[in-house]
Amino acid sequence: AQRVTQPEKLLSVFKGAPVELKCNYSYSGSPELFWYVQYSRQRLQLLLRHISRESIKGFTADLNKGETSFHLKKPFAQEEDSAMYYCALGFSSASKIIFGSGTRLSIRP
Amino acid sequence: DTGVSQDPRHKITKRGQNVTFRCDPISEHNRLYWYRQTLGQGPEFLTYFQNEAQLEKSRLLSDRFSAERPKGSFSTLEIQRTEQGDSAMYLCASSPDPGTHNEKLFFGSGTQLSVL
Repeated sequence: AQRVTQPEKLLSVFKGAPVELKCNYSYSGSPELFWYVQYSRQRLQLLLRHISRESIKGFTADLNKGETSFHLKKPFAQEEDSAMYYCALGFSSASKIIFGSGTRLSIRP
Repeated sequence: DTGVSQDPRHKITKRGQNVTFRCDPISEHNRLYWYRQTLGQGPEFLTYFQNEAQLEKSRLLSDRFSAERPKGSFSTLEIQRTEQGDSAMYLCASSPDPGTHNEKLFFGSGTQLSVL
């Protein structure tokens, strides 16, 4: 079955510490992976996607097809990074996009 | 353009009543998606449209749910004979025509449904 798994409901780190939010997917085709973020009282919005190979707000994510993972990383956390983060999977037919259950990232000062 | 617009923002209804939500996507966006989100969960895919054509509907979706996009612009999601388990945030998103790759989704603020 096609699935996105985010094993951590909550991740709490100190400001300046490295951050890694885990995401694993289950899909036999060619996946397209995304990270979406929802800041307090804001809409869900795209943070980054693997095909762009970009770094947004210091975050990066590498698609590892062998481990079926797309972990989100940032070397030095900032307080404004506190938010809900959702990993999402798009399918090779450019059809629907499905989401994981999300990880709440809390940055302690 | 103010982005994806959803109406109403909140809806309280009694069990057994029908409700209808509206979504106005970003103009010129061909794709329109409906998701449902409950507390502590991520958005759950319900259905999506390419222009006016409904291309996929979740197998988990009850027959009480129906969605339309009659002119390829705004969309409505209707829930008939609501149940308490239908209480959730209903999210709409739109995107440009994806071509060969999935495009960025632009989300609305959602409609919060409470079934008493």
